[in-house]
Amino acid sequence: EIVLTQSPATLSLSPGERATLSCRASQSVSSYLAWYQQKPGQAPRLLIYDASNRATGIPTRFSGSGFGTDFTLTISSLEPEDFAVYYCQQRSNWPLSFGGGTKVEIK
Amino acid sequence: QVQLVESGGGVVQPGRSLRLSCAASGLTFSSYGMHWVRQAPGKGLEWVALISYDGTNKHYADSVKGRFTISRDNSKNTLYLQMNSLRPEDTAVYYCAKDYNWGTFHIWGQGTMVTVSS
Repeated sequence: EIVLTQSPATLSLSPGERATLSCRASQSVSSYLAWYQQKPGQAPRLLIYDASNRATGIPTRFSGSGFGTDFTLTISSLEPEDFAVYYCQQRSNWPLSFGGGTKVEIK
Repeated sequence: QVQLVESGGGVVQPGRSLRLSCAASGLTFSSYGMHWVRQAPGKGLEWVALISYDGTNKHYADSVKGRFTISRDNSKNTLYLQMNSLRPEDTAVYYCAKDYNWGTFHIWGQGTMVTVSS
């Protein structure tokens, strides 16, 4: 099973700041990595698929990069609605797996 | 727009069974693979199962293999999860999700809570 390790566990930032979230895979997942946003009491929402492709309707301040084992989700300038938990997920190997999440909180 | 609505959750004793449903609308249901994903209280996300658009191909997480069965009825636009031999560790919100590219969770339902407790 591919283990995804997200860091940091918590990121404390102010609105307008840049957020950089990391996801590291225990073995290569090529570009088969997605990012999701989850707010309290809500279902997750797909942000980025296949490492760098924004899903429909996702603002351009969200971007993804990486290949192989190291991936990054960047939020260029945090809006109030961006404070949430973010998960990465791989579809390279069965079983599909998620990282443990990064909480982006207001500083 | 696409809507996925889960139902069937509730409180069940260990060892008993439960069947979840996910009603889909706003999409050609029979064209897409579908997933179940769960989230234990206060915890992260765990993929549970995937079924292909026509029901012929299925994959399961090791934690549920042999106990859970994913199925679909394309005539009713509905996805199912039959859960047998339930354990306390199966307690979670269960989400259905539309597949994209055989392994990405494109659209999610709002979830249904399953509590396994005596």
